[in-house]
Amino acid sequence: GENVEQHPSTLSVQEGDSAVIKCTYSDSASNYFPWYKQELGKRPQLIIDIRSNVGEKKDQRIAVTLNKTAKHFSLHITETQPEDSAVYFCAASGLGNEKLTFGTGTRLTIIP
Amino acid sequence: GAVVSQHPSWVICKSGTSVKIECRSLDFQATTMFWYRQFPKQSLMLMATSNEGSKATYEQGVEKDKFLINHASLTLSTLTVTSAHPEDSSFYICSARRLADEQFFGPGTRLTVL
Repeated sequence: GENVEQHPSTLSVQEGDSAVIKCTYSDSASNYFPWYKQELGKRPQLIIDIRSNVGEKKDQRIAVTLNKTAKHFSLHITETQPEDSAVYFCAASGLGNEKLTFGTGTRLTIIP
Repeated sequence: GAVVSQHPSWVICKSGTSVKIECRSLDFQATTMFWYRQFPKQSLMLMATSNEGSKATYEQGVEKDKFLINHASLTLSTLTVTSAHPEDSSFYICSARRLADEQFFGPGTRLTVL
């Protein structure tokens, strides 16, 4: 089955700087890659996603890049703010496979 | 749109009792719902995939007789933890699949078994 690795596990960034979180996946058939933000005790919230027919997607301060050849994708957050502090999870699923396989999570802390 | 509710938000029960958790998609029909378990400071682990009108598909290592899943309608799935024990204490989260591959999560249920 699919295996998703996520790095780093913790990340501290000065407010205003950029944060990058990276994930790799094992199944070359995977074609959908969402990113979720989870605050303590709350539900995961979809913040951005990308499909395999696209190399990059941007939504305001958040962007995701996908390299299908290398089987890795990354989340980029620019101009970080204190409210960006949370745990971020990447995930992957394949064509016809509804299951999402999650990465291990990255605890992002924005230092004021 | 794409709101998923879960009830109860927290529950405390005695060891040996059963607990039922409901997951509802409020403004869309979900042919597929998913149940996850999340331990503190860990990732979401898929327990089972629930399709309306059919038996749930359980992940390897998840006891189907202990975690009973019913998906009676396009907007409701239930998870029953039978004969709960302290090691079942966890944060249980459901999600509902709307279009394409998008999954939207419920707020979660924190189960504490004494």
